[in-house]
Amino acid sequence: GQQVMQIPQYQHVQEGEDFTTYCNSSTTLSNIQWYKQRPGGHPVFLIQLVKSGEVKKQKRLTFQFGEAKKNSSLHITATQTTDVGTYFCASGGYNFNKFYFGSGTKLNVKP
Amino acid sequence: SQTIHQWPATLVQPVGSPLSLECTVEGTSNPNLYWYRQAAGRGLQLLFYSVGIGQISSEVPQNLSASRPQDRQFILSSKKLLLSDSGFYLCAWRDSYNTEAFFGQGTRLTVV
Repeated sequence: GQQVMQIPQYQHVQEGEDFTTYCNSSTTLSNIQWYKQRPGGHPVFLIQLVKSGEVKKQKRLTFQFGEAKKNSSLHITATQTTDVGTYFCASGGYNFNKFYFGSGTKLNVKP
Repeated sequence: SQTIHQWPATLVQPVGSPLSLECTVEGTSNPNLYWYRQAAGRGLQLLFYSVGIGQISSEVPQNLSASRPQDRQFILSSKKLLLSDSGFYLCAWRDSYNTEAFFGQGTRLTVV
């Protein structure tokens, strides 16, 4: 299957610190989506990026899509305990039916 | 509005027993349907996807099978469960390639 690598696997931060997770693909992606999974829950859609170099913001969250459309990042400014969970990137590449998820980054925020 | 139902929420099954997990979608037609498995603390592994009735694509050869007997019904099955089949099984749907995936609540399967 398509390889979408995501790092780091785990991240422990103090509340108020920033957090970043990265996704990398060996092939060009048609788009990339980001999801958040709270502990014990199911993944919930956050955002989709389509254009090369695209940057989108949602309050304290900033999403970027690389110029070559092979990598993406999610940055959270001043983390809060409500940010705890696992963040996944996902993409179908140019096969519009398959839909793969990265390995996820588990974020723990200490109050 | 669209909803997705997945059941049961939890399941404990002995090794060698059969499995049937069901997922139904309401409020949309001809969705793409997906089964994922998530091992404890791990990522989401795509198991099967379907673009239409009776059309199943398998991503990983294993002890599981999937069927889509109706447009909005997706079933995950096994004839004989293995210990390694334990995990969190998630059903999801999308209505076209560039829209978000909506997930069911998941089934936590423990094979003992």
